Amino acid sequence: SAVISQKPSRDICQRGTSLTIQCQVDSQVTMMFWYRQQPGQSLTLIATANQGSEATYESGFVIDKFPISRPNLTFSTLTVSNLSPEDSSIYLCSVDAGTGNTIYFGEGSWLTVV
Amino acid sequence: GEDVEQSLFLSVREGDSSVINCTYTDSSSTYLYWYKQEPGAGLQLLTYIFSNMDMKQDQRLTVLLNKKDKHLSLRIADTQTGDSAIYFCAESPGASNTGKLIFGQGTTLQVKP
Repeated sequence: SAVISQKPSRDICQRGTSLTIQCQVDSQVTMMFWYRQQPGQSLTLIATANQGSEATYESGFVIDKFPISRPNLTFSTLTVSNLSPEDSSIYLCSVDAGTGNTIYFGEGSWLTVV
Repeated sequence: GEDVEQSLFLSVREGDSSVINCTYTDSSSTYLYWYKQEPGAGLQLLTYIFSNMDMKQDQRLTVLLNKKDKHLSLRIADTQTGDSAIYFCAESPGASNTGKLIFGQGTTLQVKP
């Protein structure tokens, strides 16, 4: 299995500011992903964080709003920019643990925008 | 496009079996997953099944897959109050496993003592 740590676990931010969320994995993984879970909703994939190249974004998500870094095989950050109350969600990092079929999630970062 | 559907709520008595159902649309999905989310927590991987299997058992959990009907179920035997949570079904769409998942809406399981 993979142990995934996310920081911060919770934050309250002012609208118009940005928040950067970190995801650290205890082993090297090829694939890392960022998901959003809006209140009472299911999870939606934001992007795939690619090591050494730009992230691959899903439809409806853009780099200017959700810039992602992936400097190495154990770490990634997601920034949520120009925050609005609609960005209040849980943001979750996930990894493919390398066996091709076990996909683990972090504990999530709970963001409230006021 | 890909879609995953689940019923939203299930209530059972402690000690009974729970069956949570899921349907999906992508017949080429390679793996199907069940995750558990407790209040205030992230997602815990419970189990997964490869698309060429029709059943997988892991302690109290039994996963049944009907590929023809694109129907997946999770049976929890001897349900306990600690099993109260939201259960998400997810598929890995497409013939090659990219690690991306499409999630259902989640089923809230309420276990009454």
